[in-house]
Amino acid sequence: AQSVTQLDSHVSVSEGTPVLLRCNYSSSYSPSLFWYVQHPNKGLQLLLKYTSAATLVKGINGFEAEFKKSETSFHLTKPSAHMSDAAEYFCVVSVGDYKLSFGAGTTVTVRA
Amino acid sequence: NAGVTQTPKFRILKIGQSMTLQCAQDMNHNYMYWYRQDPGMGLKLIYYSVGAGITDKGEVPNGYNVSRSTTEDFPLRLELAAPSQTSVYFCASSLDRGEARYGYTFGSGTRLTVV
Repeated sequence: AQSVTQLDSHVSVSEGTPVLLRCNYSSSYSPSLFWYVQHPNKGLQLLLKYTSAATLVKGINGFEAEFKKSETSFHLTKPSAHMSDAAEYFCVVSVGDYKLSFGAGTTVTVRA
Repeated sequence: NAGVTQTPKFRILKIGQSMTLQCAQDMNHNYMYWYRQDPGMGLKLIYYSVGAGITDKGEVPNGYNVSRSTTEDFPLRLELAAPSQTSVYFCASSLDRGEARYGYTFGSGTRLTVV
């Protein structure tokens, strides 16, 4: 069965420093993987997606993620954190053709 | 283009009461989904629909019912509210089976508290 594990429940960074959110996946075939962001009291917004094209995926707001099959990982990074990046981030895998399975989420705090 | 619209945004229910969470999309999407979000648990699929008149259970369907009489609307019904149903509920949609592999469009959520 397809699933994802987010390795950190909470990440705290200083403004202007890099952000790394870790996600490992389990899948019996080449998966479709996503990162979604949820700002406080808001809905979920798609940051980026991997669907078996380029392994380095660029998303919105300066985020990117790299698909590493050998490590079954899909970590999300940003070179320089901004205060507006404070939010909850979900790693997500496609389950079958049209259903998604969500990780437990990583809460990002950005210190001034 | 409103996307996916959920109403109400907030609701407090008493144990045993019933209510319907509304979800509407104006993108002519065939596939619609209901998820609930609990702290530290990610999102869990309650019910989904692949087209008008077709619904199916997700991971956590107990205590809920859905209907899909039109392409646009996918209401979620709670018949006998219980404290365990306190959660944030998200509705989502995707055009078809293929597009779902590229992500969903989510509504802004309904925060439900059962007391």
